[in-house]
Amino acid sequence: GAGVSQTPSNKVTEKGKYVELRCDPISGHTALYWYRQSLGQGPEFLIYFQGTGAADDSGLPNDRFFAVRPEGSVSTLKIQRTERGDSAVYLCASSASGTGTDTQYFGPGTRLTVL
Amino acid sequence: AQSVTQLDSQVPVFEEAPVELRCNYSSSVSVYLFWYVQYPNQGLQLLLKYLSGSTLVESINGFEAEFNKSQTSFHLRKPSVHISDTAEYFCAVSPASGGSYIPTFGRGTSLIVHP
Repeated sequence: GAGVSQTPSNKVTEKGKYVELRCDPISGHTALYWYRQSLGQGPEFLIYFQGTGAADDSGLPNDRFFAVRPEGSVSTLKIQRTERGDSAVYLCASSASGTGTDTQYFGPGTRLTVL
Repeated sequence: AQSVTQLDSQVPVFEEAPVELRCNYSSSVSVYLFWYVQYPNQGLQLLLKYLSGSTLVESINGFEAEFNKSQTSFHLRKPSVHISDTAEYFCAVSPASGGSYIPTFGRGTSLIVHP
């Protein structure tokens, strides 16, 4: 079946603009994760959804970052007033139930560049 | 809280030679351990994981890792590498209890296999 997909694959924006990044998880997966990967670093956790609700948003760096998953499938990561430091690859992953033994399946990422 | 240290940022090796990618972790609770691989222009995918039981875990493509609790390590090994193993390898750790199974990733090790 289809894996995790993310759109767009690349996004270039100007400092101060608003951006939305979309994630389509594997069908039926209740858990969805967002990560940010900066150059030369591993993925850094941002937020975790279980169904429609954000079960853990402790990784969001500040209130400019927000994410939703209104119907428990597709999720959108929203960044307001973008800054150059937000430039990174944003990764989405999904897993069947969110337990620690579950395998997370990653999408290809969205490369965000803030000029 | 957990942390992961991948001691080598790059490991160059010749084809058919053995390789070891090192991973050490720190945690105050029991953990699950993972190795992910990212091939060029692809998303992260799970290579192998330790959840419980036998401390030696294997992947389908010849990699293995051994959980060493006393040394808090989970080094990845392969006795004979192929050109196709060239990729970025990420070690990750998550708590095995407590309800939040969010993984913490290391910075990654770039395995470069030369002909």
